Amino acid sequence: GAGVSQSPSNKVTEKGKDVELRCDPISGHTALYWYRQSLGQGLEFLIYFQGNSAPDKSGLPSDRFSAERTGGSVSTLTIQRTQQEDSAVYLCASSFQGGVGQPQHFGDGTRLSIL
Amino acid sequence: AQSVTQLDSQVPVFEEAPVELRCNYSSSVSVYLFWYVQYPNQGLQLLLKYLSGSTLVKGINGFEAEFNKSQTSFHLRKPSVHISDTAEYFCAVRVGLWNFGNEKLTFGTGTRLTIIP
Repeated sequence: GAGVSQSPSNKVTEKGKDVELRCDPISGHTALYWYRQSLGQGLEFLIYFQGNSAPDKSGLPSDRFSAERTGGSVSTLTIQRTQQEDSAVYLCASSFQGGVGQPQHFGDGTRLSIL
Repeated sequence: AQSVTQLDSQVPVFEEAPVELRCNYSSSVSVYLFWYVQYPNQGLQLLLKYLSGSTLVKGINGFEAEFNKSQTSFHLRKPSVHISDTAEYFCAVRVGLWNFGNEKLTFGTGTRLTIIP
């Protein structure tokens, strides 16, 4: 497809379960970002990948959160032992090379609900 | 660290009236500024960006914004709004240092624009 693709679009799970969220960036984009959008918190940066460089993990809220990017393309955000405060919309974005002149293109997000 | 303040969480405006959505930022270094729009159940779409040069920036859908360094503001304006402009609008900042640690966007909490017919 032409845009950033995220799956699933909605995920409901029980507290304590692990979840995996997937992001397929725009073809050719080397930079990939994960953000979290929570009620009352706005949009928070989670993690950033650029090519083969070490990712910027400075926004991950706890060690229950991790992300991988395999082959420089698809990324998976994993949340272990989910808590109710993890409920949010998780947005993925990609950009060409990550330069400041390159806008970040966002997917439609995964809405995660923890029961 | 940089931060972004959007003072108005909700702005109701009559159709065809002008609108201004306010954004102020704080940063000790030079910044790049962005406005994004989010329609219901969708991701964010870039409206416009300020990188350098002219302080008046024009974007899509008839929106424009003016960078004011002395007031550390980047307010979004449209002279005449339409029902289809109903959405949430986010101001964002990125620091101006070329460093892989500074790629992230810092967002404001958003302004919900509601157009009244």
